[in-house]
Amino acid sequence: QQQVKQSPQSLIVQKGGISIINCAYENTAFDYFPWYQQFPGKGPALLIAIRPDVSEKKEGRFTISFNKSAKQFSLHIMDSQPGDSATYFCAATRDQAAGNKLTFGGGTRVLVKP
Amino acid sequence: SAVISQKPSRDICQRGTSLTIQCQVDSQVTMMFWYRQQPGQSLTLIATANQGSEATYESGFVIDKFPISRPNLTFSTLTVSNLSPEDSSIYLCSGRDETKNIQYFGAGTRLSVL
Repeated sequence: QQQVKQSPQSLIVQKGGISIINCAYENTAFDYFPWYQQFPGKGPALLIAIRPDVSEKKEGRFTISFNKSAKQFSLHIMDSQPGDSATYFCAATRDQAAGNKLTFGGGTRVLVKP
Repeated sequence: SAVISQKPSRDICQRGTSLTIQCQVDSQVTMMFWYRQQPGQSLTLIATANQGSEATYESGFVIDKFPISRPNLTFSTLTVSNLSPEDSSIYLCSGRDETKNIQYFGAGTRLSVL
């Protein structure tokens, strides 16, 4: 019930291409869905987040698409750059619940080739 | 944004010994967490560090093995006790800023047990 499934595990994209990472969740009580970016040797950093009351959120080259009925959400990285090469984690939580905790997906290692 | 400092950044320890990891947040956070991350894998929550009281542990993690302290809002320690090679991993401290609804991560402590 707490699981978040993420795919693909790894992704290679050419510079300028689009990277797409998908996540699916089971717990319908989840109401906050952040994406984290992690570079080697660093901790994860919040990239972008969405709530289920909107179907899409865009920040620069990063867009989250959200499908509440399918319990799926995805991250699109437009015009991918070599500096975007990192591991990306989707996550889900019950935002306002006491003791709310993030449930992470398995991660996607993205490599952008110049 | 909150800055989370962890130390040590890495350590090599002998089997049977213990390692204490310190985590300092530069601003007050309401919740602090400790995670474990195997290289190339996702984050697993060890426990929620509660200020002035016993930590709340996730399934599979016990206080005797992972004692945690949080004497104030901005500082916490995680001790990994009676080390074995299976404890070799990256340990991450995290703090949640409820006002901004953002969870921040330290850079992690890379532990190797010989």
